[in-house]
Amino acid sequence: QITLKESGPTLVKPTQTLTLTCTFSGFSLTTSGVGVGWIRQPPGKALEWLALIYWDDDKRYSPSLKSRLTITKDTSKNQVVLTLTNMDPVDTATYYCAHRVKQKLSNHNWLDPWGQGTLVTVSS
Amino acid sequence: DIQMTQSPSSLSASVGDRVTIACRAGQSIGNYLNWYQQRPGKAPQLLIFAASSLQTGVPSRFSGSGSGTDFTLTISSLQPEDFASYYCQQSYSNPTFGQGTKLEIK
Repeated sequence: QITLKESGPTLVKPTQTLTLTCTFSGFSLTTSGVGVGWIRQPPGKALEWLALIYWDDDKRYSPSLKSRLTITKDTSKNQVVLTLTNMDPVDTATYYCAHRVKQKLSNHNWLDPWGQGTLVTVSS
Repeated sequence: DIQMTQSPSSLSASVGDRVTIACRAGQSIGNYLNWYQQRPGKAPQLLIFAASSLQTGVPSRFSGSGSGTDFTLTISSLQPEDFASYYCQQSYSNPTFGQGTKLEIK
């Protein structure tokens, strides 16, 4: 069974850096095709993809947030860490991590399962 | 980024109704399209991948179709637990999501 869980601060001040950790079990980030992604959702709004890290350490970022985002992995701890710099109240959202699956013999891929999410509020 | 546009943004329907949600991609994405269901206060769950393949455990009343730029999610007979929000997501390139469709009880 694959599980993921996000952890980190629930409240950050404007201009601070947010650091979130995704701790997972049931899969390895050394397996070909596997990745972990981060997605956020402001209250009452749509999902927004942020970043992905793959088994081979390839990293992809949302173009609109690329300058503020960093994603890293620690395969020995089964963790993926996301940092978002210069936080602003508009970054208030529930942040999710998710297991990225790639279908064998094709390039089809999807996010499944997701963690429960963690609400981060940006306020002074 | 490939823009994804869903319609409608909200929909009222009754138990037993057949409903269809549309998703349009800003460029051709083949069948690289996934659908997720999100119940209130919960994380999204995968319903359909590769435009029409049902995820294990998802009821057969859910179906997906389409290719290129136009896709649909159909629920053949709404059940009480289906009232939720639905999101499409393209997996052709770096992921992008539609703005969501909220399905409400009439």
